Amino acid sequence: QVQLRESGPGLVKPSETLSLSCSVSGGSVSSGSYYWSWIRQPPGKGLEWIGYIYSSGTTNYSPSLKSRITISVDTSQNQFSLKVRSVTAADTAVYYCATWNAYDSYFDYWGQGTLVTVSS
Amino acid sequence: SSELTQDPAVSVALGQTVRITCQGDSLRDYYASWYQQKPGQAPILLIYGKNNRPSGIPDRFSGSNSGNTASLTITGAQAEDEADYYCNSRDTSGNHWVFGGGTQLTVL
Repeated sequence: QVQLRESGPGLVKPSETLSLSCSVSGGSVSSGSYYWSWIRQPPGKGLEWIGYIYSSGTTNYSPSLKSRITISVDTSQNQFSLKVRSVTAADTAVYYCATWNAYDSYFDYWGQGTLVTVSS
Repeated sequence: SSELTQDPAVSVALGQTVRITCQGDSLRDYYASWYQQKPGQAPILLIYGKNNRPSGIPDRFSGSNSGNTASLTITGAQAEDEADYYCNSRDTSGNHWVFGGGTQLTVL
């Protein structure tokens, strides 16, 4: 069973870059089993799909965030990462990493989530 | 606004049946998946595909589809089913994924 754990700063200043990592256990980011995904949830609001990366390096980003985000994979650390540039208060959210099963189209494994607050 | 529309809040009496719906044009072509989220917790997968439940999900949860609407039905709602429910599917381009706005379920 895949287990995911997000890590990164809980506080980021406006206009700076938010950087998060997701450590993977019970599976390999190099395998073709999953698409490695990021989802976020502003406080008191709904879920927002951010994007994913496949083991081949192929990425797919939300159109609303595409200009500011990068998702990458580090096979040596068996983790994948998210960077969001030029953050504002609107980027304050709980960020989840998750696995997306492309065969049946669902998110099956989720991290516990990490709250990132954008504030000076 | 989301391309998938859900009622913000629904209530059900204990032991009764409730249907939570998700509407969107993309649902004419793609199935939705459904997630339950309790306060302070990560979402968990309830239903995917035509009507499939991961292991461990009670059979009182079921899914259905008709036209542009996907539905999650809870037959015999329990107190522990009080939670937020989200649908997820592709957007109208078919190239990206979106979540519905979520439905807060209250079990009376």
